[in-house]
Amino acid sequence: GAVVSQHPSRVICKSGTSVKIECRSLDFQATTMFWYRQFPKKSLMLMATSNEGSKATYEQGVEKDKFLINHASLTLSTLTVTSAHPEDSSFYICSAREWDRGSYNEQFFGPGTRLTVL
Amino acid sequence: ILNVEQSPQSLHVQEGDSTNFTCSFPSSNFYALHWYRWETAKSPEALFVMTLNGDEKKKGRISATLNTKEGYSYLYIKGSQPEDSATYLCASGDTGGFKTIFGAGTRLFVKA
Repeated sequence: GAVVSQHPSRVICKSGTSVKIECRSLDFQATTMFWYRQFPKKSLMLMATSNEGSKATYEQGVEKDKFLINHASLTLSTLTVTSAHPEDSSFYICSAREWDRGSYNEQFFGPGTRLTVL
Repeated sequence: ILNVEQSPQSLHVQEGDSTNFTCSFPSSNFYALHWYRWETAKSPEALFVMTLNGDEKKKGRISATLNTKEGYSYLYIKGSQPEDSATYLCASGDTGGFKTIFGAGTRLFVKA
């Protein structure tokens, strides 16, 4: 149980285009989803937290107009990188949490998406 | 803001060796410490969650300890196997809310 999928696993796009990444909880209802970004040899950096049906809460320094997050249902959250530029190239990973699943705010992760902007 | 540090950054061992890594975290407002195992191209998999000072958890050949007073946790692998090769992440959550801060991970390579 507690499986999270993420799609696509890898995407290459041209500068200026927008890219949408999907995160789905397959066997539970994700009341909260998190989006992280990871730079090489660095920690997972929390970008935003989203609760189903609410606007996402972005971390300081993360441009909300650049990284659009939608959590329209209890099983799906999307991250759209708008007008992508080479500096947006990174590894993006989502996680999900259900209110009464797991312990001590345990998160269940997707496998991540490698974004390369040319 | 929490700052979670892991050491070493990477580790190369021979099959059969036992090894351990360290995770240090601020001890104030501590809520829970999580260890994850992350294989390439897969999702991070939860290994342990610990909350109390002195907690010890074990799963097969892997075990972990927690010291909340001094702010560190150790992860031990006994008799490493090639399939143990992965990145081991620790993460600390504080009592303020649901935010969890991750370390950069320890990358373990086990050579047969």
